[in-house]
Amino acid sequence: DAKTTQPTSMDCAEGRAANLPCNHSTISGNEYVYWYRQIHSQGPQYIIHGLKNNETNEMASLIITEDRKSSTLILPHATLRDTAVYYCIVRGSGTSYGKLTFGQGTILTVHP
Amino acid sequence: DTEVTQTPKHLVMGMTNKKSLKCEQHMGHRAMYWYKQKAKKPPELMFVYSYEKLSINESVPSRFSPECPNSSLLNLHLHALQPEDSALYLCASSQTIQGVQTQYFGPGTRLLVL
Repeated sequence: DAKTTQPTSMDCAEGRAANLPCNHSTISGNEYVYWYRQIHSQGPQYIIHGLKNNETNEMASLIITEDRKSSTLILPHATLRDTAVYYCIVRGSGTSYGKLTFGQGTILTVHP
Repeated sequence: DTEVTQTPKHLVMGMTNKKSLKCEQHMGHRAMYWYKQKAKKPPELMFVYSYEKLSINESVPSRFSPECPNSSLLNLHLHALQPEDSALYLCASSQTIQGVQTQYFGPGTRLLVL
C-alpha cells in the first residue's frame, strides 16, 4: 500500500471549513484513498473514501487531484466535536480483509 | 446496528494473570481485527480473522492469543503480559463491497499491566 504524508497538526475556527491535505505520490491505479478519524480515547471512525472522482457524504467531502498524487478532506463547517486525529490511508482493493496501515495522522484542533 | 462492542472498557492486570478481552459485532461482517495502540501513536494491526480463520498474525508474541468462536465474536486471551503491553486494544470488523473495504472500530479496552 502506498505511503501517505500529512501535516502533523492544524487549527480551524468553529464554523469554518477545515481542509486537511494528504500526499500519496506513489499511489497506484487500483488503490483507494480512505479517511478515518479518531476522537480522543475512542476507536477510529470511517469518514469517506474515493478512487478518482470527488466524493461527498454527510460527514465530509474528498477532493482528489487529477494525477491522484494528493487529496484533501474537507469538513465544511467544523465544530468543536470535530477535534480529532485524522488519518489518510491508501489501500488497494482485492481481498475481502486486510490491514489498515495508519500513519501519524493530522491532529485537527477546532477552537471557538 | 453498526456497532462493535468491546468489554471490558478498562482492565488492570498483573504480569502473572490471565485475562481475556471480548469483542462482538452483529453486522454480519466476516472479517474481524485486533489492533494495539500505544499512547500518542497510531493503531497497529495485530491479528485478522476472515470467516473465523486466522488470516494475518503480525508477528505478535505468543502471550497474546486470539480466538474467534463464531462470526460475531472475537476474543483476545492475555497471559504473562509485560508492562510494555499496556495500551488501548481496539477491535474492528469490516465489510467489503465492490472492492472497497470499510472497517468499523469498537471503543477499545484500555489495558494496564502492572
